[in-house]
Amino acid sequence: GESVGLHLPTLSVQEGDNSIINCAYSNSASDYFIWYKQESGKGPQFIIDIRSNMDKRQGQRVTVLLNKTVKHLSLQIAATQPGDSAVYFCAENRSRGGSYIPTFGRGTSLIVHP
Amino acid sequence: GAVVSQHPSRVICKSGTSVKIECRSLDFQATTMFWYRQFPKKSLMLMATSNEGSKATYEQGVEKDKFLINHASLTLSTLTVTSAHPEDSSFYICSVRDSRGDTQYFGPGTRLTVL
Repeated sequence: GESVGLHLPTLSVQEGDNSIINCAYSNSASDYFIWYKQESGKGPQFIIDIRSNMDKRQGQRVTVLLNKTVKHLSLQIAATQPGDSAVYFCAENRSRGGSYIPTFGRGTSLIVHP
Repeated sequence: GAVVSQHPSRVICKSGTSVKIECRSLDFQATTMFWYRQFPKKSLMLMATSNEGSKATYEQGVEKDKFLINHASLTLSTLTVTSAHPEDSSFYICSVRDSRGDTQYFGPGTRLTVL
């Protein structure tokens, strides 16, 4: 079936390094993607989104890249800080009944070592 | 982004009792709210979509008689776990949709423990 998944369940990096978290999706009809950050015991926090008519979008220290050819999404975090340690989810938004319903991927745990 | 609150943040109850969780949109009127549950180290699973003034739409496999959802106003949705059992212990998270109807903003979650 169609799904959203992540390549790596855990990513460990040193403080100051750049982090790249990957996500694969299989529904070619998906046209809106969101990255969320979830800290332990808290709800997901919106980081950045991208629509399928774009290949790249930048925010503060974060960049999302979308490759529709291979159905791949990535989140790049520049100069990773200990406060970036969390679980990161990509959410594929599928239109259902005229509105978007997100389907969350498995999640990647980012661990930043000082 | 939207500010969303949930109450209580954590609750412990005895098996067989019912628990009500509130989700409030604090800074805009949310016509649609969503309820998720999340098990430890797992992803979020959508339970139901809550529409103001109408019945909630439940995902396949979610018992609507066990998880009662009421969306009485544009700022409040409630999830009631009826006759709770230990297997209902989980992290319950609500979200609201913004005015464009695309991006969802999440509440802080409610940790339910059923003894």
